[in-house]
Amino acid sequence: KQEVTQIPAALSVPEGENLVLNCSFTDSAIYNLQWFRQDPGKGLTSLLLIQSSQREQTSGRLNASLDKSSGRSTLYIAASQPGDSATYLCAVRFQTGANSKLTFGKGITLSVRP
Amino acid sequence: NAGVTQTPKFRVLKTGQSMTLLCAQDMNHEYMYWYRQDPGMGLRLIHYSVGEGTTAKGEVPDGYNVSRLKKQNFLLGLESAAPSQTSVYFCASSSIQGISQPQHFGDGTRLSIL
Repeated sequence: KQEVTQIPAALSVPEGENLVLNCSFTDSAIYNLQWFRQDPGKGLTSLLLIQSSQREQTSGRLNASLDKSSGRSTLYIAASQPGDSATYLCAVRFQTGANSKLTFGKGITLSVRP
Repeated sequence: NAGVTQTPKFRVLKTGQSMTLLCAQDMNHEYMYWYRQDPGMGLRLIHYSVGEGTTAKGEVPDGYNVSRLKKQNFLLGLESAAPSQTSVYFCASSSIQGISQPQHFGDGTRLSIL
């Protein structure tokens, strides 16, 4: 079964720390991997999309890396701020099965303390 | 830009009632998706569509029907609502390149079945 795992489920850090959020997936045959942010009671905002041929993507203080062979992706947040507090979701589009489908992890709820 | 708009935002139903959730996108996207999000379960795909007039089943299609009569709209129907369908429903869309493109999400519909 194709699965996406995000551990830990929650993380609390002081402001200013550099963070690494982890995502692992069970099948290395993927089209791409997408990181989302979800604020309480809101929808999902796409942060970064990494194609299977890419190693990393960057947007501002965010950097996402992809290692297909080990089935891992990390989202790096530099100099964290209280406004970064949200749930971060990792989603993978696997090559086998219904390739229009995104398989989501359960998310990491991040709290950045002032 | 409106992006993906979901109607209604909140709804309370009694068991056995029917209703339709509407998703509209103004990005001329070919692909549209319906997900549900439940605590501890993450997001799961209910149904999706790869173009006007087409629909396909996702992971958890039972108890739901969908229609894509117009390219910009994707409707999710509950014929006889059950308490197990209490959830937050998200609609998403992506462009004709589909697999390689990010999915854009609406803000969700919070549905409670009593």
